[in-house]
Amino acid sequence: DGGITQSPKYLFRKEGQNVTLSCEQNLNHDAMYWYRQDPGQGLRLIYYSQIVNDFQKGDIAEGYSVSREKKESFPLTVTSAQKNPTAFYLCASTLQDLGQGSTEAFFGQGTRLTVV
Amino acid sequence: AQSVAQPEDQVNVAEGNPLTVKCTYSVSGNPYLFWYVQYPNRGLQFLLKYITGDNLVKGSYGFEAEFNKSQTSFHLKKPSALVSDSALYFCAVRDIWTGRRALTFGSGTRLQVQP
Repeated sequence: DGGITQSPKYLFRKEGQNVTLSCEQNLNHDAMYWYRQDPGQGLRLIYYSQIVNDFQKGDIAEGYSVSREKKESFPLTVTSAQKNPTAFYLCASTLQDLGQGSTEAFFGQGTRLTVV
Repeated sequence: AQSVAQPEDQVNVAEGNPLTVKCTYSVSGNPYLFWYVQYPNRGLQFLLKYITGDNLVKGSYGFEAEFNKSQTSFHLKKPSALVSDSALYFCAVRDIWTGRRALTFGSGTRLQVQP
């Protein structure tokens, strides 16, 4: 079945550690996105990538880093510079919008990150 | 800049009654508009979208939404609510004229359907 797989489902991080969240898709989508979800704040965009080897900062990129070496993979690293990383992280993907319409985003099941 | 407002944190409705979840948006050009639903500890599921054409859009699970350009609104509706509709609902927008090809989401509205 086609879809987006995020792993792990739950992740615990100690103070000062970097952790990497995995996001893999087999939908052959060009664009991929990372969102952070906090209670009462909806989803906020961290980073997004339209094509391989290219990505742009979203609204809350500080303390995060990404890479896009393969079309199907878009891992997110939460660095020690992110002072409040406890949140639910969602990865999404879409077909590339070539100006002739827009497709909906498909989401993974999320990773819940907790600082201990 | 693009933005979305969902003015109600929670909507309560009795099973069998019609429901409305409100959404207003702000974009500099023409919008693409979406509704998503989220169940606890899960990702978002797509419900429906407005791209162009008919202002009344029909989607999954009997939901529909009406695009109103003059009021910059895209309210989600369902004629008869089910208990299983209880979930968190998100409205999202993308301005087709900007270079940023990512959705901006509202803060979410929790729908509670009482039996």
